Amino acid sequence: ELKVEQNPLFLSMQEGKNYTIYCNYSTTSDRLYWYRQDPGKSLESLFVLLSNGAVKQEGRLMASLDTKARLSTLHITAAVHDLSATYFCAVDMSTASKLTFGTGTRLQVTL
Amino acid sequence: DAGVTQSPTHLIKTRGQQVTLRCSPKSGHDTVSWYQQALGQGPQFIFQYYEEEERQRGNFPDRFSGHQFPNYSSELNVNALLLGDSALYLCASSFGFSGANVLTFGAGSRLTVL
Repeated sequence: ELKVEQNPLFLSMQEGKNYTIYCNYSTTSDRLYWYRQDPGKSLESLFVLLSNGAVKQEGRLMASLDTKARLSTLHITAAVHDLSATYFCAVDMSTASKLTFGTGTRLQVTL
Repeated sequence: DAGVTQSPTHLIKTRGQQVTLRCSPKSGHDTVSWYQQALGQGPQFIFQYYEEEERQRGNFPDRFSGHQFPNYSSELNVNALLLGDSALYLCASSFGFSGANVLTFGAGSRLTVL
């Protein structure tokens, strides 16, 4: 059974600081997704990583994938308050988008 | 361009009752998946519909059933509701049934079972 673990589960950081969220998964897969969820809202797609060594960047967020280590990271650079949300990684081992999500990392950026 | 729409947004039921949730996929999408998100947890895959057939199923009992209509919209039915069924139910749509498809999620239907 595929297991996806994220850490930390909760992260409080000051504006302007850098930090990394880690996503470990138990079974080989080369399809990993990052989503953002604001309180009471739905999931918004951030990144799709489809191969070993893949790196994607959008604004202050950068995601990478190491399939050999079964690890993905979401790096936050110079955090701003607007990045406060819960971030989920999800792994797909099926042939068609049957995602297994991690427990999420709740990010709180303080002024 | 309408995204994924779900109804109702909130509903309250009592144990033993039945509920039907509805989902209209994003324009151009033909595959619908349903996820259950308990409070403070990540979403869990319930099942997926493509060409009006259930194609994949997660670890959920038969009390959870669904349907997809010719216009690609979908319903999720839950029978004999339990307190543990209280959750946010998310519908996601995508195009096609293979490969790495980015899911577009709806805002969800929040079910409370008393």
